[in-house]
Amino acid sequence: AQKVTQAQTEISVVEKEDVTLDCVYETRDTTYYLFWYKQPPSGELVFLIRRNSFDEQNEISGRYSWNFQKSTSSFNFTITASQVVDSAVYFCALSGSIIQGAQKLVFGQGTRLTINP
Amino acid sequence: KAGVTQTPRYLIKTRGQQVTLSCSPISGHRSVSWYQQTPGQGLQFLFEYFSETQRNKGNFPGRFSGRQFSNSRSEMNVSTLELGDSALYLCASSWTSGRSYNEQFFGPGTRLTVL
Repeated sequence: AQKVTQAQTEISVVEKEDVTLDCVYETRDTTYYLFWYKQPPSGELVFLIRRNSFDEQNEISGRYSWNFQKSTSSFNFTITASQVVDSAVYFCALSGSIIQGAQKLVFGQGTRLTINP
Repeated sequence: KAGVTQTPRYLIKTRGQQVTLSCSPISGHRSVSWYQQTPGQGLQFLFEYFSETQRNKGNFPGRFSGRQFSNSRSEMNVSTLELGDSALYLCASSWTSGRSYNEQFFGPGTRLTVL
């Protein structure tokens, strides 16, 4: 079975602080994909990043960075110099091996991030 | 390119009724997936359609069904509504070749309230 755990239910920081959102996953698949999505109050899930299981290279995109470590089954997300607009619920998700092309995401419970001015 | 659209955005029904939600994928996307989001259970996969065929199904009762049309638009239906069906229903589309994973792009959702 596949499982994603986001242990941090809520995080509140002051603007300009750095913040890391944790994600731990479980899967028996040798090939899998990891994702982060952002859900603002409007409700729409906004895609942030995808990572393949065979690519452990960390990635940076502006103020966002992701740390993927297969040894600890973790895929953590860091926001540097946080801004009020970063306030949202963030979801980590996992997709296992593609079976006949079928697409299915298993989500963590989400972390509600509040950036205070 | 227009994003994923879902109609209606809000819906209020009473127990026992049935409801149909609609999703129009991004142009060119042939895969459409549905997810249910509730405060208690979080985001859960309902089913996925590709080329008018259901390819994958989550653990939901048979009251939840769906279909996809030849233009890739999809509908999901919930019959005999229960209070617990109150949720945000999200639709996602992706371009998929069947050989690798492609990002799913989500619509704004339909918020269903069952009274």
